[in-house]
Amino acid sequence: GAVVSQHPSWVICKSGTSVKIECRSLDFQATTMFWYRQFPKQSLMLMATSNEGSKATYEQGVEKDKFLINHASLTLSTLTVTSAHPEDSSFYICSASDYSYNEQFFGPGTRLTVL
Amino acid sequence: EDQVTQSPEALRLQEGESSSLNCSYTVSGLRGLFWYRQDPGKGPEFLFTLYSAGEEKEKERLKATLTKKESFLHITAPKPEDSATYLCAVQVFPTNFGNEKLTFGTGTRLTIIP
Repeated sequence: GAVVSQHPSWVICKSGTSVKIECRSLDFQATTMFWYRQFPKQSLMLMATSNEGSKATYEQGVEKDKFLINHASLTLSTLTVTSAHPEDSSFYICSASDYSYNEQFFGPGTRLTVL
Repeated sequence: EDQVTQSPEALRLQEGESSSLNCSYTVSGLRGLFWYRQDPGKGPEFLFTLYSAGEEKEKERLKATLTKKESFLHITAPKPEDSATYLCAVQVFPTNFGNEKLTFGTGTRLTIIP
């Protein structure tokens, strides 16, 4: 199956700093990438959808100025959490797909802890 | 609004004890129903996609089925390594062409006791 990686796998930062998370599709070209957030013992909540070369589409209630998404190439998308606060602490997961798959393939996730 | 409900929330089985997980959905127009397995601290692992009522797919001890209102994930003679959270998600027909988002259920935490 298709492989998606994320970096870093975990990160601890101080309140007020910004954190960047990378999502890469390793063996296919991802025309669409999705970013999810998952709180403990809860399901995945979609934050935004990004298509290569265009602006991301954010879900209702997700602040686009706080969660900056860039999908500059067919294999890389980044999520930057700006001015992070403790309530942003969560498990962030990306997924990637292309038109020939339809299925979304998920990365291993990034655990963010904001102190 | 599209809704996905999974039951039970948690299930404990003895090794070898077969059972089924349920995913019921209410959507405007189902394009596909997806099953994923998620281990603690990891991203979901793709299992199956079902597209039409009556469709069935199998993989090792797992079999997924689909009706017009729900999907079942049957697990036959499970082993401890099948312990995980099983998530279902629905995808509806898009208004614009392209890969559309998934709406996830809350999952079933499955524990297989040796």
